[in-house]
Amino acid sequence: RKEVEQDPGPFNVPEGATVAFNCTYSNSASQSFFWYRQDCRKEPKLLMSVYSSGNEDGRFTAQLNRASQYISLLIRDSKLSDSATYLCVVSPSGTYKYIFGTGTRLKVLA
Amino acid sequence: EAQVTQNPRYLITVTGKKLTVTCSQNMNHEYMSWYRQDPGLGLRQIYYSMNVEVTDKGDVPEGYKVSRKEKRNFPLILESPSPNQTSLYFCASSLTRFAGGQNEQFFGPGTRLTVL
Repeated sequence: RKEVEQDPGPFNVPEGATVAFNCTYSNSASQSFFWYRQDCRKEPKLLMSVYSSGNEDGRFTAQLNRASQYISLLIRDSKLSDSATYLCVVSPSGTYKYIFGTGTRLKVLA
Repeated sequence: EAQVTQNPRYLITVTGKKLTVTCSQNMNHEYMSWYRQDPGLGLRQIYYSMNVEVTDKGDVPEGYKVSRKEKRNFPLILESPSPNQTSLYFCASSLTRFAGGQNEQFFGPGTRLTVL
């Protein structure tokens, strides 16, 4: 089993739609969680960190479920510019490592 | 401008010819890391450095070396490249060495390496 798993997609959604991605992780000792965005083989960029209580940044909401070992990303009112690959990143407690999922590809259609 | 730079951006080489990919950051970050990205496998961590002269293996260190003699630089060395090291490489840095904290990693633009 992969340490961090994501549905590769693609998720094809119309503009204005709400879309949600999940990411599961296998190490229950994982402590830090992030969502990164990557455009077409360019460098990943931080979208948001994921906090235990959940957090929101504009149209984006991230949630953490430690009991079921998954994090989620919700995008509301999708824009064409949201088309990208979304990478889930987990860092286990007591390590200096970052473990990336393979990414979920989103296409927002006009 | 705060940034992570990598050189070269593109490189085609032959099996066995030693090469170095440079990485430099101007943000006074303690933590630096190298990743490779391959289709279907995502980004995998090669090596990381918690500070000057402190490095450790990531998940795929075989065939690579690193050094951290200065805080700003973290070169990746391939002593004897092989075709299975053909990949897209990213360098990244973050403020502190505590990966357990909520520390954003800043990535360089990537180096596309082809080993023939």
